[in-house]
Amino acid sequence: GDSVTQMEGPVTLSEEAFLTINCTYTATGYPSLFWYVQYPGEGLQLLLKATKADDKGSNKGFEATYRKETTSFHLEKGSVQVSDSAVYFCALSPTANNAGNMLTFGGGTRLMVKP
Amino acid sequence: SQTIHQWPATLVQPVGSPLSLECTVEGTSNPNLYWYRQAAGRGLQLLFYSVGIGQISSEVPQNLSASRPQDRQFILSSKKLLLSDSGFYLCAWSVRKGREPQHFGDGTRLSIL
Repeated sequence: GDSVTQMEGPVTLSEEAFLTINCTYTATGYPSLFWYVQYPGEGLQLLLKATKADDKGSNKGFEATYRKETTSFHLEKGSVQVSDSAVYFCALSPTANNAGNMLTFGGGTRLMVKP
Repeated sequence: SQTIHQWPATLVQPVGSPLSLECTVEGTSNPNLYWYRQAAGRGLQLLFYSVGIGQISSEVPQNLSASRPQDRQFILSSKKLLLSDSGFYLCAWSVRKGREPQHFGDGTRLSIL
């Protein structure tokens, strides 16, 4: 079946550091890929998405590129802020047999940014 | 634009009491609707989803049930809560076609005493 694997956290960085959160997936065909962010005590917010190979999703300084050859969708940001502290979830929506538009989520990666 | 509302935001209930959490979506028609649970510090567990009025699919056998009495209303219920029902409950919606993102509400924090 489909699966999403994220690096385990927590990831602790100093402000203005470079961020990479790894995400790899297993799925047939060409799934859509998403990154969600969850701030403490809140629901998940869609951060960015990509729907086909080599697409780059970007939002709020975050970027991720859909790499079909490595089945990866790593999240990056050049300079993190304390306000980026949150849990980040990678997710996919498969191409086949998905009448309910089900998503497969990774386990989440907690990011802590220190001033 | 579309919005999703969940209430209440926080709920404290005794063991054995009933539960009703409500979720409504505005600004779209015929959405898919979902209920998730998130235990403290853990990932998401899909509980139920619905592709139409009265159509409920259960992903995990449990002490909970869901209903969709109207197109944009999704209710999570229990007749008798267990301690293990504590958690953060999230409602989400998506458009009908596949490969699209889901959009989440702000969640309900449920504590069972």
